[in-house]
Amino acid sequence: GAVVSQHPSRVICKSGTSVKIECRSLDFQATTMFWYRQFPKKSLMLMATSNEGSKATYEQGVEKDKFLINHASLTLSTLTVTSAHPEDSSFYICSARAAGGNTGELFFGEGSRLTVL
Amino acid sequence: LAKTTQPISMDSYEGQEVNITCSHNNIATNDYITWYQQFPSQGPRFIIQGYKTKVTNEVASLFIPADRKSSTLSLPRVSLSDTAVYYCLVGDYNNNNDMRFGAGTRLTVKP
Repeated sequence: GAVVSQHPSRVICKSGTSVKIECRSLDFQATTMFWYRQFPKKSLMLMATSNEGSKATYEQGVEKDKFLINHASLTLSTLTVTSAHPEDSSFYICSARAAGGNTGELFFGEGSRLTVL
Repeated sequence: LAKTTQPISMDSYEGQEVNITCSHNNIATNDYITWYQQFPSQGPRFIIQGYKTKVTNEVASLFIPADRKSSTLSLPRVSLSDTAVYYCLVGDYNNNNDMRFGAGTRLTVKP
């Protein structure tokens, strides 16, 4: 099946720094990518929907200046957590939908665990 | 996106068939039903998708009644490795990129 790769899988940073997480579709073109965050034993919370070449659509309550999303190509989307603080510590997961594929099927990355000290 | 309701948790034993039901009373005509599986510290994995009646693949079956207000994911002969959280999503994927997850069902398979 289609593969989505996230990098890094784990990152620890100091409070106030910015962290970039990459999401790549390795063997297909993804016109739409989705970014989620997940807290322990909780469901995935949709943060934003990213379409290639256009600005991301953020969910209500998600600060777009805090969580910068760039989807510059059909195979790469990035999430930058700016000026990270301990409350931003979470598991971040991206997913992508293949153009022309199964209508509802999303391919998920392995996730990136962010710990802000 | 139609709101979904699932049991919070379920327990089962190895070798049993497990049925997880999802309620989606407000499902729209163009909505599809999709199920995902998630293991701890991993991204979810697509299991199965359907629109009506019954769909079967190598890992599961999906039963959808005529009114489509619910759906049941059926896992035959579960093993310990099926312990995971299962999510159902409902949406019109052709026109709406709304991919929000509900609370999911935490399935625990015991020996």
